[in-house]
Amino acid sequence: QKEVEQNSGPLSVPEGAIASLNCTYSDRGSQSFFWYRQYSGKSPELIMSIYSNGDKEDGRFTAQLNKASQYVSLLIRDSQPSDSATYLCAVLLLYNNNDMRFGAGTRLTVKP
Amino acid sequence: DAGVIQSPRHEVTEMGQEVTLRCKPISGHDYLFWYRQTMMRGLELLIYFNNNVPIDDSGMPEDRFSAKMPNASFSTLKIQPSEPRDSAVYFCASSSGQGAGELFFGEGSRLTVL
Repeated sequence: QKEVEQNSGPLSVPEGAIASLNCTYSDRGSQSFFWYRQYSGKSPELIMSIYSNGDKEDGRFTAQLNKASQYVSLLIRDSQPSDSATYLCAVLLLYNNNDMRFGAGTRLTVKP
Repeated sequence: DAGVIQSPRHEVTEMGQEVTLRCKPISGHDYLFWYRQTMMRGLELLIYFNNNVPIDDSGMPEDRFSAKMPNASFSTLKIQPSEPRDSAVYFCASSSGQGAGELFFGEGSRLTVL
């Protein structure tokens, strides 16, 4: 089992819709979770971090964490064409607090 | 402030040649990471340093790969000899100890081994 798993997509949503991206992880003791956005041909950039169960909102982005289910999600409200990118879920491993593992990423396309 | 700087941005070489990728982390960051990204395997951690000391190199695929960090402002990733399966984008990232998880990535070095 991979340490961090995501549906590779592609996920296509119309402009203005909610995009929902999901991620599961295997290290039950992990405490720190992140979402990175990567535009085509560019490097990943951090957009959200979450450490506690529940929801964390930042503008149009909401990260959700359920440690019991080992599940992290990212919701993008009012999706814009500029949100079209690959979204990478990342987890800091419990046993090594600087070892960041990434999922394969979900490619999102927002159609005008 | 300058971000993480990597060079070269693109490298095309022939199988068997030595490849050296370079990275300058953000000033003040004490962690430096080397990642490799391919379509098949995604973003893989190769090695990371803390205060110039290699902490975990378990992701380095083979003895053909080596990494050094002679000082706080410079790191290299070397592949010798290179093989076609090494073709990938290699990212360097840095972070501060206080911001674990917030990695700042360079623009990457795209390596093609023919």
